Amino acid sequence: DTGVSQNPRHKITKRGQNVTFRCDPISEHNRLYWYRQTLGQGPEFLTYFQNEAQLEKSRLLSDRFSAERPKGSFSTLEIQRTEQGDSAMYLCASSPGTGFLEQYFGPGTRLTVT
Amino acid sequence: AQSVTQLGSHVSVSEGALVLLRCNYSSSVPPYLFWYVQYPNQGLQLLLKYTTGATLVKGINGFEAEFKKSETSFHLTKPSAHMSDAAEYFCAVRPAGGTSYGKLTFGQGTILTVHP
Repeated sequence: DTGVSQNPRHKITKRGQNVTFRCDPISEHNRLYWYRQTLGQGPEFLTYFQNEAQLEKSRLLSDRFSAERPKGSFSTLEIQRTEQGDSAMYLCASSPGTGFLEQYFGPGTRLTVT
Repeated sequence: AQSVTQLGSHVSVSEGALVLLRCNYSSSVPPYLFWYVQYPNQGLQLLLKYTTGATLVKGINGFEAEFKKSETSFHLTKPSAHMSDAAEYFCAVRPAGGTSYGKLTFGQGTILTVHP
C-alpha cells in the first residue's frame, strides 16, 4: 500500500499564473476527493470523482478551477489566473467504492501566491 | 446539511494528563463521525470512526471517542497524553447514506500542546 501521493508538495507562483497539481490515489480506490485547507481552518470540500466522472463540485470551485480524472486513475487540479486568496493547502483523498467509504488523505500541496 | 463545532481551538495538557477534545455536530440524517490528526506540513491521518454499532470506538495511539446522539457529540479522549500527541485534531461528519458521495464536513480543528 503506497498511499495517496500528491505532487508537487510545495508551489510558489506569482499572481495571475496558472498552476496544476497532481494526485495519485490508492490504486484500487475508485472515489477521489479534493479539499482545500486555509490557515487555521479545517479542510473544505472542493470536488468529487467516481472513476472518471466528476459528480459533485462545491460552490468554492470558481470558474478558474478545473479538475480532471482521465481514465479514472490520477487526478489533476488546475487553477487559472491565480489570486492571493488561492494560497492554501490542497488535499487529495481517495476511498474504495464499497464499505464505509473511509477516506485516505495524501500529504497535500501547499500553494503560495505572491 | 451538516456542520461541526470543535470547542477550543487550542488545548494544552501536561504529559501523562487526560486529553479531552470536544466535538459537536449537526446533521439532518444519521451521521458517520471521524477524528483525524494532522502533523505539521502533512496530510490527515484517520484516528478513529463511528459508523454503526457500539457507540464507544477505539482508535490508534490509545485514543477513543464516544458517540452520544442525545448530545450530538463525539468527544475524543486519551487517558494519558504523550509528547508525540502534539498535533492538530479535526472532527468530521458525513451522512450515513443518501447522495452525499461521502464528502466530509470538518470542524475548524483543535491544536493540542503537550507540556513535559
